[in-house]
Amino acid sequence: SQQGEEDPQALSIQEGENATMNCSYKTSINNLQWYRQNSGRGLVHLILIRSNEREKHSGRLRVTLDTSKKSSSLLITASRAADTASYFCATVSMNRDDKIIFGKGTRLHILP
Amino acid sequence: DTAVSQTPKYLVTQMGNDKSIKCEQNLGHDTMYWYKQDSKKFLKIMFSYNNKELIINETVPNRFSPKSPDKAHLNLHINSLELGDSAVYFCASSHGSGAFFGQGTRLTVV
Repeated sequence: SQQGEEDPQALSIQEGENATMNCSYKTSINNLQWYRQNSGRGLVHLILIRSNEREKHSGRLRVTLDTSKKSSSLLITASRAADTASYFCATVSMNRDDKIIFGKGTRLHILP
Repeated sequence: DTAVSQTPKYLVTQMGNDKSIKCEQNLGHDTMYWYKQDSKKFLKIMFSYNNKELIINETVPNRFSPKSPDKAHLNLHINSLELGDSAVYFCASSHGSGAFFGQGTRLTVV
């Protein structure tokens, strides 16, 4: 079962520009997480935002959460070539079954 | 020290065979998972173990069976492999604040 839907599916931007990815989900959540996956590698946890939080920062990352719209966004500022990867949002539901459900991902390509 | 390690990294096998993928975490996490990532990069949760107890069993074929000898290990055993089982399988562990993933096992069934 897929919970999240990322938008866009693919994004290409110039190095130095900001990249914004969006995620929508369907059910009530305990928290929402963003992950990065480089080609041929495992997923790396980037940031977690809880349902009672609206915004969170980590370095060049900024995550927002709007529980009324069941949506989240991930902003990467001043993009670098190394940011080229797939980005996934994932949700943990309110029933606390520890199930982490992933969206389909956004493929981000940073152009030199 | 690798936090979540899974072996083998690559596995090529014939249809009908039985194979296992091993996973170990040294993070002391209570919850471990198995995910399947298909060719379209969709990540589907297969199993979750918490303190050696299966708490989620998604609708995967019963040819797939998770085995947890202890809290630090969650192995995946697959019987009678089929072509459609070809995918990348990821093990992960979590303590409630995000999951740590292994590097994946690319399974190819021929």
